[in-house]
Amino acid sequence: KQEVTQIPAALSVPEGENLVLNCSFTDSAIYNLQWFRQDPGKGLTSLLLIQSSQREQTSGRLNASLDKSSGRSTLYIAASQPGDSATYLCAGTNNAGNMLTFGGGTRLMVKP
Amino acid sequence: EAQVTQNPRYLITVTGKKLTVTCSQNMNHEYMSWYRQDPGLGLRQIYYSMNVEVTDKGDVPEGYKVSRKEKRNFPLILESPSPNQTSLYFCASRFSGSYEQYFGPGTRLTVT
Repeated sequence: KQEVTQIPAALSVPEGENLVLNCSFTDSAIYNLQWFRQDPGKGLTSLLLIQSSQREQTSGRLNASLDKSSGRSTLYIAASQPGDSATYLCAGTNNAGNMLTFGGGTRLMVKP
Repeated sequence: EAQVTQNPRYLITVTGKKLTVTCSQNMNHEYMSWYRQDPGLGLRQIYYSMNVEVTDKGDVPEGYKVSRKEKRNFPLILESPSPNQTSLYFCASRFSGSYEQYFGPGTRLTVT
């Protein structure tokens, strides 16, 4: 059974810093990986989706990479801003495409 | 506006009183799914549906029922709610050819 782990569980950084959030998964048969943002009391917003055949995706200040062989994905946030403060979740889709397994999330605080 | 809606957003009920949480999407998505989010356990998949009249169990289906009679709606039914079903519930949807999921705003359920 797929297990997804995110480390650290919480992270506090000063504004302007570049940072990396980590996501690891146990089953390399993962089909694709998606990064989400969740604000307190709100739903999930999709940030980036890395398809099985891809190694990375970029959107603005965000860059996500996927290394299936090592069972790892990273989300890189450049020049962090207080508005980036949220919980970031990674989730992997199984090969059948019908199940999504989430990590526990990293709670990010960017201080002005 | 393309969106996934859930109703109600907040619900407090008593043990054993049947309830339904509705989920509707206006994007003509084939795939819909329900998740619950609990502190320390993260998001876990309850049920999913690949299309109308096609549903299947996720990781934690016990105590829940679903139906998919129309493409846009995917209600979650708790026939006899118990306190351990107190949680934050999310509905999500996507096109069958894409793995990017769109989430609803969540329903916070408390069972006393």
